[in-house]
Amino acid sequence: GAGVSQSPSNKVTEKGKDVELRCDPISGHTALYWYRQSLGQGLEFLIYFQGNSAPDKSGLPSDRFSAERTGGSVSTLTIQRTQQEDSAVYLCASSLAPVSGTKNIQYFGAGTRLSVL
Amino acid sequence: AQSVTQLDSQVPVFEEAPVELRCNYSSSVSVYLFWYVQYPNQGLQLLLKYLSGSTLVKGINGFEAEFNKSQTSFHLRKPSVHISDTAEYFCAVSMSGGSYIPTFGRGTSLIVHP
Repeated sequence: GAGVSQSPSNKVTEKGKDVELRCDPISGHTALYWYRQSLGQGLEFLIYFQGNSAPDKSGLPSDRFSAERTGGSVSTLTIQRTQQEDSAVYLCASSLAPVSGTKNIQYFGAGTRLSVL
Repeated sequence: AQSVTQLDSQVPVFEEAPVELRCNYSSSVSVYLFWYVQYPNQGLQLLLKYLSGSTLVKGINGFEAEFNKSQTSFHLRKPSVHISDTAEYFCAVSMSGGSYIPTFGRGTSLIVHP
């Protein structure tokens, strides 16, 4: 597609429910990243994919968070048993290749705003 | 590991005035530096980047930034701001070799008043 697409744009859920957030990267981009943006905070790195594998899961805050990527394209971030502190904007980005420099310029989606009641 | 400090959480300014948004970083190796802008309810958009070469980098929308290695800074400037520049601005750094995951600052909210 023309840009990184994320869905849903907004998600309201009850505490304890599971949610799935979807990211569709730019066609041809091999690297995909998930970030969390909380109010007044910077971007918190969650996980990174190269193709379908995740070499770096160091940012996942707990075992309630998981992510997968299929076909080297769409990725899903799943949060199980959501808590109120999970409320944030979840941003997805993609880049041509996971190397420093020009190829690693990240292009961001508009994000999913998650509200846990 | 690298870190980024954006010294101002909020910068109010009047339209047509100049503005500087400050960014300092720390890293033990050479770095690449980025500024991103986030308009309300949108994702981040790359404003400009420093990878190598000239330390004065020009970006979109009339913004520019200067890489100062001795002061480990990468401040963003614009000589005359518009109302439409009201947004959140993020500075980011990645190591030129090794980890390619950029580290982002906490952001600076630029508020342009008429």
